[in-house]
Amino acid sequence: DIQMTQSPSFVSASVGDRVTITCRASQGITNWLAWYQQKPGKPPTLLIYAASSLQSGVPSRFSGSKSGTDFTLTINNLQPEDFATYYCQQANTFPLTFGGGTNVESK
Amino acid sequence: VQLMESGGGLVKPGESLRLSCVTSGFTFTSHYMNWVRQAPGKGLEWVATLHPGNNYIFYADSVKGRFTISGDIAAKYLFLQLDSLRVDDSAVYYCARAHLSGYNFGFDSWGQGTLVAVSS
Repeated sequence: DIQMTQSPSFVSASVGDRVTITCRASQGITNWLAWYQQKPGKPPTLLIYAASSLQSGVPSRFSGSKSGTDFTLTINNLQPEDFATYYCQQANTFPLTFGGGTNVESK
Repeated sequence: VQLMESGGGLVKPGESLRLSCVTSGFTFTSHYMNWVRQAPGKGLEWVATLHPGNNYIFYADSVKGRFTISGDIAAKYLFLQLDSLRVDDSAVYYCARAHLSGYNFGFDSWGQGTLVAVSS
């Protein structure tokens, strides 16, 4: 199985900050990496697919990138509604696997 | 696009449940359909996938042999039969639709989830 190592587990940030979250795949997954946002008591929502493609309706302050087996989600100009938990998911091979999550909290 | 789960509840270890997910607003047979679960306070875990159009099915090792995913194409329902339930199966179970381009592109629509609690 492909393991997804997500870091950090927690980020303390302020409105206007830039936040960077990373996921490392245990083996190659080409570009098949998705990012989700989840707020308490709600289902996840898709932010980014295929490593860097923005899902329709998602603000452009969210972006994704890839370097080898490392994938990065960047949130520019953090907004109050962005405080949430973020998950990566490798979508290359079954079993599909998620990273452990990153909780972005208000400083 | 709407997905709505039902069928969760409190059961004892070894018992069974059948989860349902009613869908609308899209062509059911064109998308990989998925179950993802989340234990209380924990992260997301993919459980199973079905493509209703070609009947491709995949399971997580943790549920293989105990859970069965299926679909009703005419009624646009996705099901998950949970047998031989264990305490560590306790979670919110989400029904999720994969992107039209395939599961590689992520899950773009999710239901609100249904809670399964397994306790003696």
